[in-house]
Parts: sequence; C-alpha cells; structure tokens
Amino acid sequence: DGGITQSPKYLFRKEGQNVTLSCEQNLNHDAMYWYRQDPGQGLRLIYYSQIVNDFQKGDIAEGYSVSREKKESFPLTVTSAQKNPTAFYLCASSSHRDLGVSRAEAFFGQGTRLTVV
Amino acid sequence: KNQVEQSPQSLIILEGKNCTLQCNYTVSPFSNLRWYKQDTGRGPVSLTIMTFSENTKSNGRYTATLDADTKQSSLHITASQLSDSASYICVVSFDLNAGNNRKLIWGLGTSLAVNP
Repeated sequence: DGGITQSPKYLFRKEGQNVTLSCEQNLNHDAMYWYRQDPGQGLRLIYYSQIVNDFQKGDIAEGYSVSREKKESFPLTVTSAQKNPTAFYLCASSSHRDLGVSRAEAFFGQGTRLTVV
Repeated sequence: KNQVEQSPQSLIILEGKNCTLQCNYTVSPFSNLRWYKQDTGRGPVSLTIMTFSENTKSNGRYTATLDADTKQSSLHITASQLSDSASYICVVSFDLNAGNNRKLIWGLGTSLAVNP
C-alpha cells in the first residue's frame, strides 16, 4: 500500500518536554512538508524539505526542528521553546519540489494531534 | 495582503440535495487554485486543481469553477451523500518570484454537514 503515514495519532506532552512526530512515505516523493492546523486558522507551513539532507523553514518554524536523513522520513521535533504546541500536525509529500505548481499533487498523512498537559 | 476567504463558514443540507461553496481570494500573482476535502481528524484530500485558463473542472459529483477576473471560485456538490460531510478547503497558489517559486495560502474551510 503506497502512502504517507504519521504516528502517533494522539500525543500528550508535558510542558518543557521535547516530542518527535514521525512521518514516513513510500511514494518515492522528493518533497515533504509539515503543517500545523489550529481552529479558526488555515494550515500553516512549519518546515519543508525538497531533497534529502536539505530542509527550509516555513512561516512558523520557531520552536520546531526537523531532519531529512532519508528520502522516506521527515520527523518533526516540537521543542520546549514552542509556546503553544497544542495543535493538529499534518505531514505531506509531493513528487514535485514546488508544491505551488499546478501539476504538484500533495498527499497528506492522517495527522497527529498533540496536546500539552 | 494575500488572503483566501470562504463562505459560508458552515452549512447543513439534507442528503440528496445540491450545494455550492464559495471561495474569494486576493492573491496575486495567481498561479492555481485547489479544493481539498478534509474529514474530521484526518488529512486533506485533493479534489481539484485549476489553473488560470480553466473555468470548470469536475471530479465525480464535485464541480469547481474559477473566474480569474473576479477572483472567485465555487465548489458545487451534486446529489449529496452522508460521506460528503467534511470541511472543504480552498487553497490558492501564487508566484513568489518571477515564477521560480510559489506559496500556498489556505482558506479556513467550509464545514458541511449532510443529514439523512
């Protein structure tokens, strides 16, 4: 089954802790993305990677870190520096490095809901 | 300011009825417009992608229209089904720098409930 898998589905974090969200894809896509979704706001881009061993900050990268050591994997770490980490996190991948072009289809995972307790 | 506005915010219809969702944008320079369907607690799924030259595009019971002059798009759902209950999100892509890079602006979505 080809697709993009996020884990865990639900995650609880204590204040001051770092947590890592997993994102794996077997679609052989070069580009991968992390978005955050909050009630009353559109999806906001955290980080993206267009190729292995390279990644770029999105619009709201502060308090987050990523790595792209393998084409299939793009984990996101939510650090203690992120002041409002409670949100729904979505990972996406695309065969095209520029997600904005018309021929670039984005495939999303099922999301991870992170709650700070 | 680049913005995407959707209306209505929420909508309730009876199964079998048609409905139309609206998307207005102020994004410039425009590259393309997408409609996504997002079930509660799931990731978005692409329905259509439309470029400047496309007025209408269909995907099964979903038909999207685009008027690039008025910067408006609509998503029409025909013969609604219970499984159509979801959030429908309009996303507009615009050129950042001479067509070499683009950015996506996501709308807040219209929450559609289809009742039996």
